[in-house]
Amino acid sequence: DGGITQSPKYLFRKEGQNVTLSCEQNLNHDAMYWYRQDPGQGLRLIYYSQIVNDFQKGDIAEGYSVSREKKESFPLTVTSAQKNPTAFYLCASTVSGWTEAFFGQGTRLTVV
Amino acid sequence: DQQVKQNSPSLSVQEGRISILNCDYTNSMFDYFLWYKKYPAEGPTFLISISSIKDKNEDGRFTVFLNKSAKHLSLHIVPSQPGDSAVYFCAAGQTGKSTFGDGTTLTVKP
Repeated sequence: DGGITQSPKYLFRKEGQNVTLSCEQNLNHDAMYWYRQDPGQGLRLIYYSQIVNDFQKGDIAEGYSVSREKKESFPLTVTSAQKNPTAFYLCASTVSGWTEAFFGQGTRLTVV
Repeated sequence: DQQVKQNSPSLSVQEGRISILNCDYTNSMFDYFLWYKKYPAEGPTFLISISSIKDKNEDGRFTVFLNKSAKHLSLHIVPSQPGDSAVYFCAAGQTGKSTFGDGTTLTVKP
């Protein structure tokens, strides 16, 4: 079955620590995205990548970093510089030139 | 400045009736618009879309209407079913990058 897999589903992090969220897709999609959702709010774009080895900042990139070394993978690192990292993180992918996004099941990150 | 707005945080309708969810946008450069459905603790799933060259798109019980002059789109669900209860996000964008509204929670009562 094709799809997007995010892991882990739940993640706890101590303040001051970096943490990496995994996102893998086997849909052969060119573009991948990371969104953040806070309670009662919509999805805000953190980073996106249209092709391998290239990525662009979204609307709220500060405190985050990404890499795109393989087409299938787009990991997101939440660094200690992110002031309020507790949120629900969603990874998505699209076929190049298409608009419909396929989403993973999300990772809920909690800073303790 | 929020470019995509869903002004109704929640909507409650009776099973079998029509549900109308609304969305407004400010950026006239958006060339496509989408609706997603989301259950708690899950990722959104695509529902229906419309390009800026159309004013209506229909898929089964779901119809999206686009009024470019008013920068407004709406999603109609007819007839509404209890399984339609979820959060609905409107999204708009260009060149593959979408901007999302804050969502409307739809509750369909049996």
